[in-house]
Amino acid sequence: EVQLLGSGGGFAQPGGSLRVSCAASGFTFSNYALSWVRLAPGKGFEWVSSISGSGADTYYRDSVRGRFTISRDNSKNTLYLEMGSLRAEDTALYYCTKQSLEVVVASTQDFEYWGQGTQVTVSS
Amino acid sequence: SYVLSQPPSVSVAPGQTARISCGGDRLGTFSVHWYQHRPGQAPVMVVYDNSDRPSGIPERFAGSNSGSTATLTITRVEAGDEADYYCQVWDASNDVLYVFGSGTKLTVL
Repeated sequence: EVQLLGSGGGFAQPGGSLRVSCAASGFTFSNYALSWVRLAPGKGFEWVSSISGSGADTYYRDSVRGRFTISRDNSKNTLYLEMGSLRAEDTALYYCTKQSLEVVVASTQDFEYWGQGTQVTVSS
Repeated sequence: SYVLSQPPSVSVAPGQTARISCGGDRLGTFSVHWYQHRPGQAPVMVVYDNSDRPSGIPERFAGSNSGSTATLTITRVEAGDEADYYCQVWDASNDVLYVFGSGTKLTVL
């Protein structure tokens, strides 16, 4: 059974930093791309960042590029998202997702499994 | 950036059929995926690649995609189907690799 267990996050002031992590189990971790998707209050899902199975390729939406860093440790089956220069608009539930393919850039790529979500709140 | 449009809400009585639409320019040329999200729970993929069902998803959930509209059809609706439903595609034309629809709240009357 695939499990994605998020942790970290919490509260930060604007300009601050936080880290969210995701411990995975139930599949061959390095064989699949992983992504972070967020859900802000009153809004719909928004893709944030992705990383290929090997970790060699990373992708970000424009609004977080240069502020957020996605990484993975394939020896620990763990995904990370380091968030810096946080803004109020980053406030959201952050979901760790497992994708169906090893590569990120694929026209059929989806979000096959999701974790429970980790809360990040940015406020002064 | 690419936009996917969904109705904010759909209501249906138990046992009836719910149809949730997702519209986008030339959407029929994309691979569309659908997710069910009950608040407080992990989202679940219910349809992938337009019309395929993941293991464990009931046959009551079916997807189609043609022209500019994709549709998620839920037959014999149950109270447990009440949730938010989102469509999603991969779009390489701009910085946002993955685009989600705005979401549709399915209410079971």
